[in-house]
Amino acid sequence: SQELEQSPQSLIVQEGKNLTINCTSSKTLYGLYWYKQKYGEGLIFLMMLQKGGEEKSHEKITAKLDEKKQQSSLHITASQPSHAGIYLCGADPSGNNRKLIWGLGTSLAVNP
Amino acid sequence: DGGITQSPKYLFRKEGQNVTLSCEQNLNHDAMYWYRQDPGQGLRLIYYSQIVNDFQKGDIAEGYSVSREKKESFPLTVTSAQKNPTAFYLCASQDSANTGELFFGEGSRLTVL
Repeated sequence: SQELEQSPQSLIVQEGKNLTINCTSSKTLYGLYWYKQKYGEGLIFLMMLQKGGEEKSHEKITAKLDEKKQQSSLHITASQPSHAGIYLCGADPSGNNRKLIWGLGTSLAVNP
Repeated sequence: DGGITQSPKYLFRKEGQNVTLSCEQNLNHDAMYWYRQDPGQGLRLIYYSQIVNDFQKGDIAEGYSVSREKKESFPLTVTSAQKNPTAFYLCASQDSANTGELFFGEGSRLTVL
């Protein structure tokens, strides 16, 4: 079955540093979603990418989808303790937006 | 404010007992989902419903049941047939006409003793 690979599995950075999280699929995706989760809580939507080469930004977070629509990166600029949490990527492999597939998540800690 | 509410937040049950987790949304979304989250595994889809009185099995439906009698509500019953029910359960809703973004509840943690 198609899977999403996320890397790194965990990340510890010093406040103010930049960081990148990657999400890779072996097949072309119809849509790629980024969510953030605090431990033991629900997921908060960050961004959705649909077109090859698309890039979106919100505050200090930028997400990109490659031209082949198989790899996405999430970049955080000048990280803050509020960025800490688990970042998950989800993807639509079939085009119907129903049965998404999910990465295992990247746990981010930001040290003040 | 619009949102999606799951209850209870924490639940403890003995083996062999059925448990029902509540999920209510006031976003007027047609589609609703139940996921299970376990350490070291991605979100796994249990059941989903695209419209009232209709639902489909996800990837791990065995040992679970759902109903969708009202648009706002999508309760999940964890039956005694579920072999490993201890997990974090997440409910989500989706506006079918929009981008496909899922809105998640805060989750319910079920522990079977």
